[in-house]
Amino acid sequence: AQTVTQSQPEMSVQEAETVTLSCTYDTSESDYYLFWYKQPPSRQMILVIRQEAYKQQNATENRFSVNFQKAAKSFSLKISDSQLGDAAMYFCAYRSNNQGGKLIFGQGTELSVKP
Amino acid sequence: DVKVTQSSRYLVKRTGEKVFLECVQDMDHENMFWYRQDPGLGLRLIYFSYDVKMKEKGDIPEGYSVSREKKERFSLILESASTNQTSMYLCASSSSPSNQPQHFGDGTRLSIL
Repeated sequence: AQTVTQSQPEMSVQEAETVTLSCTYDTSESDYYLFWYKQPPSRQMILVIRQEAYKQQNATENRFSVNFQKAAKSFSLKISDSQLGDAAMYFCAYRSNNQGGKLIFGQGTELSVKP
Repeated sequence: DVKVTQSSRYLVKRTGEKVFLECVQDMDHENMFWYRQDPGLGLRLIYFSYDVKMKEKGDIPEGYSVSREKKERFSLILESASTNQTSMYLCASSSSPSNQPQHFGDGTRLSIL
């Protein structure tokens, strides 16, 4: 069975600085998808970024980028120029290509942003 | 924009009651999911559905059942609520290709007294 691990329960960053959230996963599959979701205090889960395992190029969305290391089964999220609105719980998630789209989530990392 | 609506943001019920959590999506998505979110555990999948009247067990189905009579609606049922089912419940939907993201509702914080 696949597992996803986020080893940092809490992280803190100064406004305008850069922070990296860690995620590792375990799978025997070669074809899958990885996601980072953000859950602010309002509770609405928002997709931040996604990565297809077959793509070597790291995904980027504005200030958010990932470092995808397939061999190491690592999928970290880098937030550049952190803003107060980035404060939230961040979840890493794995999705198999052949299990109907269900997501397997990590435990979450709570990010606080200091002004 | 995809809209996933959960019927209640907060719900308080008593032990032994039958509890219904409703979820409706407006994007004609084939797939719908129910998760439970607990601190330190992330989100865990309870049940999911690929199509009307179809359901599959997730990782923690015990004590729960689901119903999908219409494509847009997916209900989670606690047959006899217990205190260990006090949690945040999140519904999500997605279209069929695996690379499509899931869209989530706002969650229902359920307390069982």
